[in-house]
Amino acid sequence: ETGVTQTPRHLVMGMTNKKSLKCEQHLGHNAMYWYKQSAKKPLELMFVYNFKEQTENNSVPSRFSPECPNSSHLFLHLHTLQPEDSALYLCASSQEEAGRYYYGYTFGSGTRLTVV
Amino acid sequence: AQKITQTQPGMFVQEKEAVTLDCTYDTSDPSYGLFWYKQPSSGEMIFLIYQGSYDQQNATEGRYSLNFQKARKSANLVISASQLGDSAMYFCAMREANTNAGKSTFGDGTTLTVKP
Repeated sequence: ETGVTQTPRHLVMGMTNKKSLKCEQHLGHNAMYWYKQSAKKPLELMFVYNFKEQTENNSVPSRFSPECPNSSHLFLHLHTLQPEDSALYLCASSQEEAGRYYYGYTFGSGTRLTVV
Repeated sequence: AQKITQTQPGMFVQEKEAVTLDCTYDTSDPSYGLFWYKQPSSGEMIFLIYQGSYDQQNATEGRYSLNFQKARKSANLVISASQLGDSAMYFCAMREANTNAGKSTFGDGTTLTVKP
């Protein structure tokens, strides 16, 4: 496989469930991201991982728990979510170098999450 | 203050005609990059084009060109010879050199509809 792969593509979960979103990149990039895209809000950065270390947590509620076991894999663990957490969750990766700002992201296809 | 502003929530264009999608940005960092992404209804964000703050010439990638006016802080995307497959949401984004590695700011997006 190539690029950034996200699974599952669609997920319906109850508010008491625990589930995980998975992201895998095959590009050799050293940074990975989780973004949330709701219908009525712009893209919201949730977490940034650089060389497996979390460098950004954008005031995300603790019911979202990221995990980055290596530079190719990124998980988002979900528990006791609320209906307003229903959204498209996008994973992205990029190759980062200090002081460089000209690298764009490669995105996955997203996981469309519905909380019932 | 919003760093990326896309003032056109929706745009329509006739097939084979050109269309301009607006983007203005705000930054005090002299080193930054501007990006455009396309998001079809499938959800995946696709990188289209990049412009660096020090680039002297406007970026071009096939039918996409970026009209970069640094003094006005605008980075409009021009799509020439529109095709039905260009119907999608388009996001303008910015990366500043002096921010956390990898962090990008996105605009609210413009939905483009190409009419046959």
